[in-house]
Amino acid sequence: DVQMTQSPSSLSASVGDRVTITCRASQSITHYLNWYQQKAGKAPKLLIYAASNLQSGVPSRFSGSGSGTDFILTISSLQLEDVATYYCQQSFTIPLTFGGGTKVEIK
Amino acid sequence: QVQLQESGPGLVKPSQTLSLTCTVSGGSISSGDYYWSWIRQPAGKGLESIGRIYTSGSTNYNPSLKSRVTITVDTSKNQFSLKLTSVTATDTAIYYCARGRGYSGEELDCWGQGTLVTVSS
Repeated sequence: DVQMTQSPSSLSASVGDRVTITCRASQSITHYLNWYQQKAGKAPKLLIYAASNLQSGVPSRFSGSGSGTDFILTISSLQLEDVATYYCQQSFTIPLTFGGGTKVEIK
Repeated sequence: QVQLQESGPGLVKPSQTLSLTCTVSGGSISSGDYYWSWIRQPAGKGLESIGRIYTSGSTNYNPSLKSRVTITVDTSKNQFSLKLTSVTATDTAIYYCARGRGYSGEELDCWGQGTLVTVSS
Protein backbone atom coordinates (compact mmCIF):
# COMPACT_ATOMS: atom_id res chain seq x y z
CA ASP A 1 0.00 0.00 0.00
CA VAL A 2 1.10 3.60 -0.59
CA GLN A 3 1.51 5.28 2.78
CA MET A 4 0.45 8.92 3.04
CA THR A 5 2.01 11.06 5.75
CA GLN A 6 0.59 14.47 6.62
CA SER A 7 2.14 17.19 8.70
CA PRO A 8 1.44 18.78 10.99
CA SER A 9 -1.23 16.69 12.67
CA SER A 10 -2.77 19.87 14.04
CA LEU A 11 -2.27 23.58 13.82
CA SER A 12 -3.70 26.75 15.24
CA ALA A 13 -3.65 29.98 13.25
CA SER A 14 -5.31 33.38 13.22
CA VAL A 15 -7.98 34.54 10.82
CA GLY A 16 -6.25 35.90 7.74
CA ASP A 17 -3.11 33.79 8.16
CA ARG A 18 -1.61 31.74 5.36
CA VAL A 19 -1.75 28.06 6.25
CA THR A 20 0.16 25.22 4.63
CA ILE A 21 -0.31 21.49 5.10
CA THR A 22 2.09 18.97 3.63
CA CYS A 23 1.50 15.43 2.45
CA ARG A 24 4.19 12.93 1.51
CA ALA A 25 3.65 9.65 -0.32
CA SER A 26 5.81 6.58 0.28
CA GLN A 27 6.34 6.25 -3.48
CA SER A 28 5.73 8.41 -6.51
CA ILE A 29 2.04 8.93 -7.21
CA THR A 30 2.65 11.43 -10.05
CA HIS A 31 -0.24 13.91 -9.76
CA TYR A 32 -2.86 11.52 -8.32
CA LEU A 33 -3.29 13.41 -5.08
CA ASN A 34 -6.55 14.80 -3.73
CA TRP A 35 -7.42 16.96 -0.73
CA TYR A 36 -10.60 16.77 1.34
CA GLN A 37 -12.06 18.93 4.08
CA GLN A 38 -14.07 17.31 6.86
CA LYS A 39 -15.98 19.47 9.28
CA ALA A 40 -17.11 18.04 12.61
CA GLY A 41 -19.92 15.51 12.20
CA LYS A 42 -19.95 15.82 8.42
CA ALA A 43 -18.76 13.80 5.45
CA PRO A 44 -15.52 14.74 3.72
CA LYS A 45 -15.75 17.26 0.89
CA LEU A 46 -13.46 17.34 -2.14
CA LEU A 47 -11.36 20.52 -2.29
CA ILE A 48 -8.50 19.84 -4.70
CA TYR A 49 -8.07 17.02 -7.21
CA ALA A 50 -5.12 15.87 -9.28
CA ALA A 51 -2.78 17.83 -7.01
CA SER A 52 -3.67 21.34 -8.14
CA ASN A 53 -7.18 21.50 -9.59
CA LEU A 54 -9.79 23.40 -7.60
CA GLN A 55 -13.08 21.53 -7.30
CA SER A 56 -16.09 23.50 -8.53
CA GLY A 57 -17.59 25.72 -5.85
CA VAL A 58 -14.52 25.68 -3.59
CA PRO A 59 -13.21 29.15 -2.61
CA SER A 60 -10.11 30.29 -4.46
CA ARG A 61 -8.19 30.76 -1.18
CA PHE A 62 -7.59 27.01 -1.34
CA SER A 63 -4.81 25.80 -3.62
CA GLY A 64 -2.70 22.71 -4.10
CA SER A 65 0.71 22.00 -5.52
CA GLY A 66 3.26 19.25 -5.87
CA SER A 67 3.98 16.10 -7.80
CA GLY A 68 5.72 12.80 -7.31
CA THR A 69 5.89 12.28 -3.55
CA ASP A 70 5.52 15.75 -2.02
CA PHE A 71 2.38 17.84 -2.01
CA ILE A 72 1.09 21.00 -0.31
CA LEU A 73 -2.35 22.34 0.47
CA THR A 74 -2.41 26.10 1.03
CA ILE A 75 -5.13 28.26 2.51
CA SER A 76 -4.10 31.77 1.51
CA SER A 77 -6.20 33.58 4.13
CA LEU A 78 -7.70 31.44 6.86
CA GLN A 79 -11.38 32.02 7.59
CA LEU A 80 -13.54 30.95 10.53
CA GLU A 81 -15.42 28.50 8.32
CA ASP A 82 -12.16 26.71 7.46
CA VAL A 83 -12.03 25.06 10.90
CA ALA A 84 -11.94 21.38 9.94
CA THR A 85 -9.72 18.36 9.50
CA TYR A 86 -7.98 18.11 6.13
CA TYR A 87 -7.03 14.81 4.52
CA CYS A 88 -4.86 14.04 1.54
CA GLN A 89 -5.60 10.90 -0.48
CA GLN A 90 -3.75 9.14 -3.26
CA SER A 91 -5.68 7.70 -6.18
CA PHE A 92 -2.66 6.35 -8.07
CA THR A 93 -3.10 2.76 -6.98
CA ILE A 94 -5.43 0.43 -5.11
CA PRO A 95 -6.11 0.53 -2.26
CA LEU A 96 -6.87 4.23 -2.20
CA THR A 97 -5.15 5.52 0.93
CA PHE A 98 -5.55 8.63 3.04
CA GLY A 99 -3.22 10.65 5.18
CA GLY A 100 -3.81 10.78 8.91
CA GLY A 101 -5.39 14.23 8.76
CA THR A 102 -4.51 17.75 9.86
CA LYS A 103 -6.82 19.46 12.30
CA VAL A 104 -7.00 23.21 11.71
CA GLU A 105 -8.19 25.48 14.50
CA ILE A 106 -8.49 29.23 14.96
CA LYS A 107 -6.12 30.86 17.45
CA GLN B 1 -27.15 17.38 -8.33
CA VAL B 2 -26.33 13.77 -7.48
CA GLN B 3 -26.92 12.75 -3.88
CA LEU B 4 -25.95 9.57 -2.07
CA GLN B 5 -27.67 8.10 0.99
CA GLU B 6 -26.51 5.14 3.06
CA SER B 7 -29.00 2.83 4.74
CA GLY B 8 -28.83 -0.30 6.85
CA PRO B 9 -28.76 -1.59 10.43
CA GLY B 10 -26.94 0.57 12.94
CA LEU B 11 -26.15 -2.39 15.19
CA VAL B 12 -24.61 -5.70 14.14
CA LYS B 13 -23.64 -8.58 16.39
CA PRO B 14 -20.07 -9.91 16.39
CA SER B 15 -19.42 -12.65 13.82
CA GLN B 16 -22.45 -11.58 11.77
CA THR B 17 -22.60 -9.80 8.43
CA LEU B 18 -22.78 -6.04 8.05
CA SER B 19 -24.98 -5.04 5.11
CA LEU B 20 -25.37 -1.48 3.82
CA THR B 21 -26.96 0.03 0.75
CA CYS B 22 -26.20 3.34 -0.93
CA THR B 23 -29.03 4.90 -2.94
CA VAL B 24 -28.05 7.35 -5.66
CA SER B 25 -30.54 10.09 -6.52
CA GLY B 26 -30.46 13.00 -8.95
CA GLY B 27 -28.77 11.00 -11.68
CA SER B 28 -28.32 7.53 -13.09
CA ILE B 29 -25.72 5.32 -11.47
CA SER B 30 -24.91 4.04 -14.96
CA SER B 31 -24.24 7.38 -16.61
CA GLY B 32 -20.78 8.77 -17.07
CA ASP B 33 -17.38 7.34 -16.25
CA TYR B 34 -17.78 6.95 -12.51
CA TYR B 35 -17.06 4.33 -9.90
CA TRP B 36 -18.89 3.77 -6.62
CA SER B 37 -16.99 3.39 -3.40
CA TRP B 38 -17.27 2.55 0.28
CA ILE B 39 -15.06 4.24 2.89
CA ARG B 40 -15.18 3.95 6.66
CA GLN B 41 -14.02 6.02 9.60
CA PRO B 42 -13.78 4.76 13.20
CA ALA B 43 -14.78 7.38 15.75
CA GLY B 44 -12.10 10.03 16.10
CA LYS B 45 -9.85 8.35 13.53
CA GLY B 46 -8.92 8.62 9.89
CA LEU B 47 -10.45 7.36 6.67
CA GLU B 48 -10.04 3.85 5.27
CA SER B 49 -11.11 2.78 1.81
CA ILE B 50 -13.03 -0.51 1.70
CA GLY B 51 -13.47 -0.97 -2.03
CA ARG B 52 -15.18 0.20 -5.17
CA ILE B 53 -17.31 -1.02 -8.06
CA TYR B 54 -17.90 0.10 -11.60
CA THR B 55 -21.32 -0.34 -13.17
CA SER B 56 -19.75 -2.99 -15.39
CA GLY B 57 -19.48 -5.00 -12.19
CA SER B 58 -15.71 -4.76 -11.94
CA THR B 59 -14.51 -4.41 -8.35
CA ASN B 60 -11.40 -3.50 -6.38
CA TYR B 61 -11.11 -4.24 -2.67
CA ASN B 62 -8.71 -3.16 0.04
CA PRO B 63 -6.44 -6.21 0.53
CA SER B 64 -6.78 -5.84 4.31
CA LEU B 65 -10.53 -6.54 4.02
CA LYS B 66 -10.72 -8.46 0.75
CA SER B 67 -11.53 -11.84 2.26
CA ARG B 68 -14.61 -10.41 4.02
CA VAL B 69 -15.94 -7.80 1.57
CA THR B 70 -18.39 -7.93 -1.30
CA ILE B 71 -19.61 -4.85 -3.17
CA THR B 72 -22.43 -5.18 -5.67
CA VAL B 73 -24.42 -2.81 -7.86
CA ASP B 74 -28.09 -2.84 -8.86
CA THR B 75 -28.49 -0.41 -11.74
CA SER B 76 -32.26 -1.00 -11.89
CA LYS B 77 -32.60 0.40 -8.38
CA ASN B 78 -29.79 2.98 -8.74
CA GLN B 79 -28.10 1.42 -5.72
CA PHE B 80 -24.86 -0.24 -4.72
CA SER B 81 -24.28 -2.32 -1.64
CA LEU B 82 -21.65 -3.47 0.83
CA LYS B 83 -21.44 -6.76 2.69
CA LEU B 84 -18.78 -7.30 5.32
CA THR B 85 -18.73 -10.72 6.94
CA SER B 86 -17.48 -11.97 10.31
CA VAL B 87 -17.50 -8.53 11.87
CA THR B 88 -15.77 -7.67 15.15
CA ALA B 89 -15.69 -4.57 17.33
CA THR B 90 -12.90 -3.19 15.17
CA ASP B 91 -15.41 -2.83 12.32
CA THR B 92 -17.37 -0.26 14.34
CA ALA B 93 -17.22 2.94 12.30
CA ILE B 94 -19.07 5.51 10.28
CA TYR B 95 -19.51 4.04 6.81
CA TYR B 96 -19.62 6.40 3.84
CA CYS B 97 -20.55 5.72 0.26
CA ALA B 98 -19.02 7.97 -2.38
CA ARG B 99 -18.75 8.52 -6.13
CA GLY B 100 -15.39 8.51 -7.86
CA ARG B 101 -14.58 10.23 -11.13
CA GLY B 102 -12.98 7.62 -13.32
CA TYR B 103 -12.54 10.10 -16.18
CA SER B 104 -10.40 12.41 -14.06
CA GLY B 105 -7.93 11.61 -11.31
CA GLU B 106 -10.15 9.00 -9.64
CA GLU B 107 -11.06 11.54 -6.96
CA LEU B 108 -14.16 11.10 -4.76
CA ASP B 109 -16.36 14.05 -5.63
CA CYS B 110 -19.67 13.22 -3.98
CA TRP B 111 -20.22 11.59 -0.58
CA GLY B 112 -23.17 10.34 1.41
CA GLN B 113 -23.71 11.72 4.89
CA GLY B 114 -22.44 8.52 6.48
CA THR B 115 -24.06 5.95 8.73
CA LEU B 116 -22.77 4.72 12.06
CA VAL B 117 -22.50 0.97 12.43
CA THR B 118 -21.75 -0.44 15.85
CA VAL B 119 -20.64 -4.03 16.31
CA SER B 120 -21.76 -5.23 19.71
CA SER B 121 -23.65 -8.08 21.29
